[in-house]
Amino acid sequence: DIVMTQSPLSLPVTPGEPAFISCRSSQSLLHTNGYNYLDWYLQKPGQSPKLLIYLGSYRASGAPDRFSGSGSGTDFTLKISRVEAEDAGVYYCMQPLQNPITFGQGTRLEIK
Amino acid sequence: EVQLVESGGGLVQPGGSVRLSCAVSGFTFSTFWMTYVRQAPGKGLEWVANINEDGSEKEYVDSVKGRFTISRDNTKNSLYLQMNSLRVEDTAVYYCVRYSSRQRAFDSWGQGALVTVSS
Repeated sequence: DIVMTQSPLSLPVTPGEPAFISCRSSQSLLHTNGYNYLDWYLQKPGQSPKLLIYLGSYRASGAPDRFSGSGSGTDFTLKISRVEAEDAGVYYCMQPLQNPITFGQGTRLEIK
Repeated sequence: EVQLVESGGGLVQPGGSVRLSCAVSGFTFSTFWMTYVRQAPGKGLEWVANINEDGSEKEYVDSVKGRFTISRDNTKNSLYLQMNSLRVEDTAVYYCVRYSSRQRAFDSWGQGALVTVSS
């Protein structure tokens, strides 16, 4: 199984400041088609998760442009350019490259 | 508007069974892979099972193999998860999720159905 490891697990951020979340995979997520099979999701309190970023760096429909994804192979980063209060919640990375599909442990972003 | 509405959760005793249903609307159900993802109370997300467009391919996480069965009825726009031999550790919110083959991602999630396994 591919193990997904996120850091940090808790991230306090002041509104207006940037935030970075790291995700590492135990195997390369770079497919032979040239795409990295790595997604980012945000689960706000009391809600279902929502897709933010797919294939490593493509912003999902409805995701604000302050969110961006980067990285390749086994190391990936989610960046929030200027954190807003509504960004509070738990962020998960996920690999859909092979079954079993696996998630990172989650990073809880809290607003200072 | 894409909608996925789960039903069928509740309290069940260890060793018991429950069937979750997911009614979908707003898209052509028969052209999408579908998935169940679960979340134990206060814990992270865990992929449980997926099924291809016509139901001929199914995959499961090891911990539920032989106990859970995912199925679909494309004529009723519905997804199902039959859960047998339930264990306390199966207690979780179960999400019905659409998989986008284009995006290689879970692009739409239901509101979740809570299954509590307890005596």
